[in-house]
Amino acid sequence: AQSVSQHNHHVILSEAASLELGCNYSYGGTVNLFWYVQYPGQHLQLLLKYFSGDPLVKGIKGFEAEFIKSKFSFNLRKPSVQWSDTAEYFCGIKAAGNKLTFGGGTRVLVKP
Amino acid sequence: GAGVSQSPSNKVTEKGKDVELRCDPISGHTALYWYRQSLGQGLEFLIYFQGNSAPDKSGLPSDRFSAERTGGSVSTLTIQRTQQEDSAVYLCASSLGAGATDTQYFGPGTRLTVL
Repeated sequence: AQSVSQHNHHVILSEAASLELGCNYSYGGTVNLFWYVQYPGQHLQLLLKYFSGDPLVKGIKGFEAEFIKSKFSFNLRKPSVQWSDTAEYFCGIKAAGNKLTFGGGTRVLVKP
Repeated sequence: GAGVSQSPSNKVTEKGKDVELRCDPISGHTALYWYRQSLGQGLEFLIYFQGNSAPDKSGLPSDRFSAERTGGSVSTLTIQRTQQEDSAVYLCASSLGAGATDTQYFGPGTRLTVL
């Protein structure tokens, strides 16, 4: 069975700081990878996804993620965060079957 | 509609009562999913429907949980004899197809509180 691990439960940083959120998964075969974001009071939204090709994918709002197959990782990055990036971020994978398996989420607080 | 909708947005019930949660997927989406978001458990898959195929029920935590999808559109998640540990936000998602590369779009969720 597949599993996803997000290393940081809470991250606090100041505006303009760089952000990197770790995501590792456990599955030996082909996976499709996703990052979702949940802003306060809003529903889950897709940030970006990786299926194949260039392992560096760009998403909305200046976010990007890099798939490193050898490390089973799909870390999310943003070079310069804004207060509006305060949210909870979820890494997810689709492996066997069509269900999404999510990590535990990382709450990010950006101080103005 | 523009997105996935769910009702009610909040539900408070007493332990032992049955509850029904409703999901309206995005028009034209053939796949529909239920997830649960709770403290300590994160986001968990419950069940998914694809067209007329038998649903994948592998994530349902007990036989008190069931779901149906009528006419290939609206879905209802039913929890019988609710327990306090059922308190969570229940999320519905839909996707155009059920392929591995199909993106799932989530609704706002139903917050269930079992007293």
